[in-house]
Amino acid sequence: GAVVSQHPSWVICKSGTSVKIECRSLDFQATTMFWYRQFPKQSLMLMATSNEGSKATYEQGVEKDKFLINHASLTLSTLTVTSAHPEDSSFYICSASGTVKETQYFGPGTRLLVL
Amino acid sequence: GEDVEQSLFLSVREGDSSVINCTYTDSSSTYLYWYKQEPGAGLQLLTYIFSNMDMKQDQRLTVLLNKKDKHLSLRIADTQTGDSAIYFCAESSRSYNTDKLIFGTGTRLQVFP
Repeated sequence: GAVVSQHPSWVICKSGTSVKIECRSLDFQATTMFWYRQFPKQSLMLMATSNEGSKATYEQGVEKDKFLINHASLTLSTLTVTSAHPEDSSFYICSASGTVKETQYFGPGTRLLVL
Repeated sequence: GEDVEQSLFLSVREGDSSVINCTYTDSSSTYLYWYKQEPGAGLQLLTYIFSNMDMKQDQRLTVLLNKKDKHLSLRIADTQTGDSAIYFCAESSRSYNTDKLIFGTGTRLQVFP
């Protein structure tokens, strides 16, 4: 149980385009979803926290207009990187927690490369 | 602010025990976690410990928590080559009524035959 999927697993796009990444909880209802960013050989940095049906809470230094987060249902959250630039290239990982709030289950990650 | 530190590398021989250490700063953390990340993959939750516990054992994994020193360790008994990965400790931090995770820098465990 407690499986989280992400789609796509990797994406290459041109500079200036927007990219949408989906995060789904497959076998539980995720009341809270988290989006992280991980640079090569570094730790995970929390970007934002979203609760179903409400606006995401962004961490300091994360541009909310650039990284649009939608958590429209209890099983789906999306992260849209708008007008992507090469410096946005990174590994994006989502996680989800349900009724057992102390446990976050992580997706497999999405590798974004912006040319 | 919150800060979680780990040593960067650990190399052990197959069959030996591995001990990965972590120090944290937020004394109000309710839970502390160990996650495993294999190359190019997401994070797998290995185990977690409630802050009022000193030890938790789960098969080959033993977690020790010294709350006074804010020190957490993960011991892997009979380490196998499949245990080679990056191990992250994380502390929970309450923010806007949500428990978010603060991750350590990660320890790369290499197991050699």
